[in-house]
Amino acid sequence: KNEVEQSPQNLTAQEGEFITINCSYSVGISALHWLQQHPGGGIVSLFMLSSGKKKHGRLIATINIQEKHSSLHITASHPRDSAVYICAGLPSGSARQLTFGSGTQLTVLP
Amino acid sequence: DTAVSQTPKYLVTQMGNDKSIKCEQNLGHDTMYWYKQDSKKFLKIMFSYNNKELIINETVPNRFSPKSPDKAHLNLHINSLELGDSAVYFCASSPPQGRGEAFFGQGTRLTVV
Repeated sequence: KNEVEQSPQNLTAQEGEFITINCSYSVGISALHWLQQHPGGGIVSLFMLSSGKKKHGRLIATINIQEKHSSLHITASHPRDSAVYICAGLPSGSARQLTFGSGTQLTVLP
Repeated sequence: DTAVSQTPKYLVTQMGNDKSIKCEQNLGHDTMYWYKQDSKKFLKIMFSYNNKELIINETVPNRFSPKSPDKAHLNLHINSLELGDSAVYFCASSPPQGRGEAFFGQGTRLTVV
């Protein structure tokens, strides 16, 4: 079982819909990253958070450390949001490398 | 200005060849990484260097050898390429011990034929 689990694996939405992608992790982490991988392949860091909530434009990321859960929300979704969204946890302790979820393929239809 | 750049973007080569992928970052980060993304889009750490020193070496074949001539560069050399090495390889950098966002290169799609 992967230490970082994402759901759903695939998500199709209509333009304008509110979207939520979930990430849960089974190990203690010091920070959680949300990444976006475009169809062209490039990976962009969206957020890094260790508590609470962060907002950037139409994107909101939240994390609940006690429940070991994070969510990525997209408001007023648009076809250009179509991408793979990946969450990655940075474990606490000495093994300081990111552990990745398997990604969520989001398709937003016009 | 590209923060993390890796070359080439595409690499097609025959089995048994030796190839290198180069990575450079201009962010002043101390830590650089190589990741492999398989056909299911799953990313997995291969190597991590901190200030030119290897700190993580996951279980990868010893045909893969990273080289860090300075802290801004982390190149990946692969000997005796095999069909199963076909994947997308990403270079990334971050502040030390992950204390900050990671920045990724655009990826190198390696196809071994």
